[in-house]
Amino acid sequence: GAGVSQSPSNKVTEKGKDVELRCDPISGHTALYWYRQSLGQGLEFLIYFQGNSAPDKSGLPSDRFSAERTGGSVSTLTIQRTQQEDSAVYLCASRSKDTEAFFGQGTRLTVV
Amino acid sequence: GEDVEQSLFLSVREGDSSVINCTYTDSSSTYLYWYKQEPGAGLQLLTYIFSNMDMKQDQRLTVLLNKKDKHLSLRIADTQTGDSAIYFCAQRGGTGRRALTFGSGTRLQVQP
Repeated sequence: GAGVSQSPSNKVTEKGKDVELRCDPISGHTALYWYRQSLGQGLEFLIYFQGNSAPDKSGLPSDRFSAERTGGSVSTLTIQRTQQEDSAVYLCASRSKDTEAFFGQGTRLTVV
Repeated sequence: GEDVEQSLFLSVREGDSSVINCTYTDSSSTYLYWYKQEPGAGLQLLTYIFSNMDMKQDQRLTVLLNKKDKHLSLRIADTQTGDSAIYFCAQRGGTGRRALTFGSGTRLQVQP
């Protein structure tokens, strides 16, 4: 596609349930990032994938959070046993060697 | 550490110039960015500057970088109501993690 695509755009889940958020990066982009934006806050780095290298997971807030990137393209961010403080907009971005990062529209997660 | 700080709010009248300021701490920053986020939308890259430059102009936008003081500013000339949004300053470090570190954003309100 023309841009970074994220799905779903909105997700409401019950506390304690697991959720999966999907990101389709721009074709050919080797770097992929996940960020979290809580209400009224800046962007918090979560995880970074670059090609076939081991991902930089240093921003994941707890072991309930994990992400994978299959085939160097689509990425899934999984949050297990969701808590109310996980409610936020989750943003994905991708970048190639020669471009800057382009962001998707985000997934708004609400944990009730 | 990597910290990026911005003032939270700026209000200007339509037609005036807006200046949004940002300070950062990572002296190894290679690129510094300005992103725009409109209500309910993802982040849009506005402009960026390489750390060996001190100014970049792009139509109504002027970016000034004072590397000695680690200060970045975005000037919007002839501000329009459509410029109302949240503006995020971000830096990409030269070592270690290649993810962007964002400020908490400056909400620009343009009054007619």
